[in-house]
Amino acid sequence: EVQLVESGGGLVQPGGSLRLSCAASGFTFSGYWMTWVRQAPGKGLEWVATIKRDGGERHYVGSVRGRFTISRDNAENSLYLQMNSLRAEDTAVYYCARAVCGGPPTKTFYFYYMDVWGEGTTVTVSS
Amino acid sequence: QSVLTQPPSASGTPGQRVTISCSGSSSNIGRNTVNWYQQLPGTAPKLVIYSNNQRPSGVPDRVSGSKSGTSASLAISGLQSEDEADYYCAAWDDSLNGNVFGTGTKVTVL
Repeated sequence: EVQLVESGGGLVQPGGSLRLSCAASGFTFSGYWMTWVRQAPGKGLEWVATIKRDGGERHYVGSVRGRFTISRDNAENSLYLQMNSLRAEDTAVYYCARAVCGGPPTKTFYFYYMDVWGEGTTVTVSS
Repeated sequence: QSVLTQPPSASGTPGQRVTISCSGSSSNIGRNTVNWYQQLPGTAPKLVIYSNNQRPSGVPDRVSGSKSGTSASLAISGLQSEDEADYYCAAWDDSLNGNVFGTGTKVTVL
């Protein structure tokens, strides 16, 4: 069974750090781009970051660039999100998702979608 | 702030057809494929349409997607109570170099 399980969420003070993990199973992890998506309480979905199969390429949403780092360990079938300088507006449920993507060499992606999702882990930034 | 615009709500009675619109721009929907996600209350999102009009395995054929220019739409025919959920469109944005989601539409079955 294809599965993604997030962990590492919790309560952290503003300015603090947290590292989220996502354990993948049931598929060839190294064969897929992976993604983090978040959802603030009562709000819509927000794409956070994505990482290439070998970790050699990463993309971030502007609001987290320079503060968050996405990484992966293909030997451990694990995805990570290191979150630093956390703000109240980072409070959200964070989902790990498998991405299917591609396109011509002249652009980043023509098609990009998340076909497998974890159940999410909750991050609360508050004093 | 979402880049793709959707109506906040849509509704219908059982058996009816509901359509949700998604308006974007030349940097996202105009150049790349559109996907749709369903989020049932308290659960993780689920992919229901990818590459404009393709259904993943297990999604019923009464769910369909289309795209024209910088807009897209999701249609659910034969509406059922289990379709009551939030629906989000999404696409890669070449200018932002990131995936963008729509504002979301809550579908209610009356």
